[in-house]
Amino acid sequence: GNSVTQMEGPVTLSEEAFLTINCTYTATGYPSLFWYVQYPGEGLQLLLKATKADDKGSNKGFEATYRKETTSFHLEKGSVQVSDSAVYFCALSEDLNDMRFGAGTRLTVKP
Amino acid sequence: GAVVSQHPSWVICKSGTSVKIECRSLDFQATTMFWYRQFPKQSLMLMATSNEGSKATYEQGVEKDKFLINHASLTLSTLTVTSAHPEDSSFYICSARSAQDIQETQYFGPGTRLLVL
Repeated sequence: GNSVTQMEGPVTLSEEAFLTINCTYTATGYPSLFWYVQYPGEGLQLLLKATKADDKGSNKGFEATYRKETTSFHLEKGSVQVSDSAVYFCALSEDLNDMRFGAGTRLTVKP
Repeated sequence: GAVVSQHPSWVICKSGTSVKIECRSLDFQATTMFWYRQFPKQSLMLMATSNEGSKATYEQGVEKDKFLINHASLTLSTLTVTSAHPEDSSFYICSARSAQDIQETQYFGPGTRLLVL
């Protein structure tokens, strides 16, 4: 079945450091891929998504490229801020009623 | 953006009692709502999908008689954990999808932490 594996955390970075959170997936078809972010005490929010191979999703300085050849959707940001501290979830969906999540990666950014 | 609330945010109950968790879409009509369960350091696992006015569709391995889901209106879905036991302790998260959202994004609630003693 479909599944998502993402980098285990926690990840601790200094402000302005480069961020990569790895995500790989297994799917039988052609899923859409997502990154969600959960700030403390809040619900999951869609950060970015990509619906087909080679698409790049981007938002708030974060980017991820749908790589079919490596079945990956790694999240990157060139310069993190303290306000980026949150838990990040990679997810896939082949139809919008069936979304599979990774375990989540907690990011802490220190000033 | 669209807001989904859950109530309560946390609950502690005795083994054998039932607990109801509410999920509300505050500023949109949710034709479909989803219930997830999350164990510590693990993925969100979809429990069931509910459409307004019809019976919920449960994922394999989820007991429908234990986890009762009601989606009686376009803004409210409830999950009742019946005869709760310590192994039901978990973080329960709902999400809602708006019929008006062309991209059909799921909007998530903040979650409800359940502890069964």
